[in-house]
Amino acid sequence: DAGVTQSPTHLIKTRGQHVTLRCSPISGHKSVSWYQQVLGQGPQFIFQYYEKEERGRGNFPDRFSARQFPNYSSELNVNALLLGDSALYLCASSPPDSASYEQYFGPGTRLTVT
Amino acid sequence: LAKTTQPISMDSYEGQEVNITCSHNNIATNDYITWYQQFPSQGPRFIIQGYKTKVTNEVASLFIPADRKSSTLSLPRVSLSDTAVYYCLVGWVTDKLIFGTGTRLQVFP
Repeated sequence: DAGVTQSPTHLIKTRGQHVTLRCSPISGHKSVSWYQQVLGQGPQFIFQYYEKEERGRGNFPDRFSARQFPNYSSELNVNALLLGDSALYLCASSPPDSASYEQYFGPGTRLTVT
Repeated sequence: LAKTTQPISMDSYEGQEVNITCSHNNIATNDYITWYQQFPSQGPRFIIQGYKTKVTNEVASLFIPADRKSSTLSLPRVSLSDTAVYYCLVGWVTDKLIFGTGTRLQVFP
């Protein structure tokens, strides 16, 4: 079975621009979470979506937004990019009714803002 | 969510057993303890999860004392491919994952 997939793998943007990152969860998984990982730090939670509804939001500005589609794929949008938004953006999915704390991560999208 | 404290880095040699201890003094009754592994430029990978006592799978063992204020991840006979960052997390199943800075394990030949 395919794991979590993310696109694109790498992206270079200029300050002030907008970016859209995409994520496809593992088949059958209904929950998708987004994380930002800056070099040398652990991943930081941005959003969680379940059944197309926002279930949780981390401490990120309103420039960050996300949505989940009927097929459970998800997009993360970041407006007015800042240099500090340069990071690895990770998407994770988890199965429905999971009794486990296990989330399955994709390979990430490396965003560079210049 | 409970805060965790773990060593910043550890060194080991191939074939040795590695034990990484995590402190979580404020763990709540409902919280599970979970460990993830992350290689450079990859997403974290679930290793093991436990609530109390000892849990073992094909990759590692997790030891949790009765007071649950700490836990120890044990990696038997490490190899070079075990060089990675290891994260200890505590929380309930529906919570977002809160990662700390993790423990950077370096395995030498």
